[in-house]
Amino acid sequence: NAGVTQTPKFRVLKTGQSMTLLCAQDMNHEYMYWYRQDPGMGLRLIHYSVGEGTTAKGEVPDGYNVSRLKKQNFLLGLESAAPSQTSVYFCASRRAAANYGYTFGSGTRLTVV
Amino acid sequence: GESVGLHLPTLSVQEGDNSIINCAYSNSASDYFIWYKQESGKGPQFIIDIRSNMDKRQGQRVTVLLNKTVKHLSLQIAATQPGDSAVYFCAEKRETSGSRLTFGEGTQLTVNP
Repeated sequence: NAGVTQTPKFRVLKTGQSMTLLCAQDMNHEYMYWYRQDPGMGLRLIHYSVGEGTTAKGEVPDGYNVSRLKKQNFLLGLESAAPSQTSVYFCASRRAAANYGYTFGSGTRLTVV
Repeated sequence: GESVGLHLPTLSVQEGDNSIINCAYSNSASDYFIWYKQESGKGPQFIIDIRSNMDKRQGQRVTVLLNKTVKHLSLQIAATQPGDSAVYFCAEKRETSGSRLTFGEGTQLTVNP
């Protein structure tokens, strides 16, 4: 039982490049989330999914797209990376039942130059 | 506006002392609160949670207190150890946000030997 696994762990992109961050969970959780974490700030929700085939926008969705084709995977895409997207990205998942905490991945550190 | 935040950004304590980390919230409709611990380079880890129908909950060396009258949440760590050094986040679940958690900015706890 690996929990929530994020790949890659580190990446450097040039402005305008695209990439996809992968989040995989093996706990059969229904809900999955993508957050970004910037220095001095809390976690901010980018997009989330309440089930396979469904996604929704969070607080800071601009510049990102997501897909949830399989229950266990939640992909975060950057179509044209910008320096403002330099951040640490965390994926989380949880059961759909009320009042369950999130399980987080270990993060992806992305630098856009 | 509505917010979840921490009173102090940093807290420094001596090993063996008790630590208290505070959090204020503004939405009286919030029904579930969680404390997370984030060590350097890692994702947030669940510590303890509390529902709004409770005012205290204890775990191993940790206690969460909820004061709904003043919308205040605190995390108490007994006999603080060097391994407790981390950033601590409170998170709040609001029914109006589709059961998504909103995170505070975090408090950096440093334990001095």
